[in-house]
Formats: sequence, structure tokens, C-alpha cells
Amino acid sequence: DAGVIQSPRHEVTEMGQEVTLRCKPISGHNSLFWYRQTMMRGLELLIYFNNNVPIDDSGMPEDRFSAKMPNASFSTLKIQPSEPRDSAVYFCASSGGGVRNEQYFGPGTRLTVT
Amino acid sequence: AQTVTQSQPEMSVQEAETVTLSCTYDTSENNYYLFWYKQPPSRQMILVIRQEAYKQQNATENRFSVNFQKAAKSFSLKISDSQLGDTAMYFCAFMKEQIRGSQGNLIFGKGTKLSVKP
Repeated sequence: DAGVIQSPRHEVTEMGQEVTLRCKPISGHNSLFWYRQTMMRGLELLIYFNNNVPIDDSGMPEDRFSAKMPNASFSTLKIQPSEPRDSAVYFCASSGGGVRNEQYFGPGTRLTVT
Repeated sequence: AQTVTQSQPEMSVQEAETVTLSCTYDTSENNYYLFWYKQPPSRQMILVIRQEAYKQQNATENRFSVNFQKAAKSFSLKISDSQLGDTAMYFCAFMKEQIRGSQGNLIFGKGTKLSVKP
């Protein structure tokens, strides 16, 4: 099992540019989560999907952020236009449901917006 | 809304000793799940241990165990025989019980930075 796969691992971009982060969940998992980690705010949920359907996007900071899950094996988080305050580590996690309710995290994408 | 509080920003322990990390939470839910995650310098989030609120027995995973006090809303992590590889940030997290077949998000504390000294 390859685990949750995220790409890129590092992204450096200039303010105003579009950024797309990608995630491949563990095969068979039906829930996918996007979290953001910063020094100031810690780990916070941005959005999550169950069976490819967005369930809670209340953590998405503003309209510049959007997320999609076109199928069970792929999700994207897009920031357009990016701003320096978006600099953070973005984690994708997936879960297979059932009684254990465990979420497995990808390695994260470190985003730096200059 | 649920909140998770970790009151110890940093802790240190000597190798082979035992250390306890504190976590308290606030919720009006009766059924929920609690987790401890470890984040080493590699930044990978690793699940250490989980606890179901309806279980009175404290969870144990090798050198890691919890002290779950539901009435006090406390969920501490004990690491026995600390090893250098235990050096990491440790996050306590809460999840509400969900409708069967669906999942809920994790609510994290701010973390405790643990250093294991040789």
C-alpha cells in the first residue's frame, strides 16, 4: 500500500500565481480531507469529501480557495490568486470509514508564496 | 463547537524514562473518538493511538498508553521507556461520532513538542 500521495512536496510561487495541490487517497478509502498547518493556527480543516461529495467546506478561507474530487482516486486544492499568507503545509488525509475512523495522512505539500 | 487544549507547548525527557503529555477537550457529545498523532521533523503525521469514548478501558499500543477520563474530559498520553526516535510534535485530536458509513474531520490541539535527551 503506497499510502496517501501528495504532489508536489514543495512549491514556491510568486504572489498572484495559481497554485494546484494534488492528492491521491489510499485505494478503497471513501473519505478525503484537506488540512492546513501554520505556526499561528496549527492544524485546521479546510474541506472534506465523503464519496467524492464535499461535506464541509466551512474551513476554506475565502473564494480564492477551491477543491475538487472528480473521482475516488484524485483530489485537487487550488489557490487562485495566491498570497503570502497562504504559505503553509497542506496535508491531505484519507479514511476508509468503518468503526476505526482512522485518518491516514500524506506527506504534505510545503507551499511558499513570495 | 468542540475544542482541544494541550497546555504543554514543550516537554523534555531523558531516554528510557517515562513522560506524560496532557490533553483536555470540550464537547457536548456523548460518543466520539480521541487520537494522538506524532509529527517528527520529517513532518509526516503518524497515528500513535486511538480511544473510543464508549470504552472505559484505556487504549495501549506497545510503549504508548492513554489515561482517558471521560467525566473530566481528559486524554493524556504516556510514553514509557522513551527513545530518541520519539522526539516529535505530538497532537491530540477529537472526532465526533458520525452516521454509519460517513466520516468526520479531526479537531486538533496546538501540539506539544517533545524532546528525548540521551
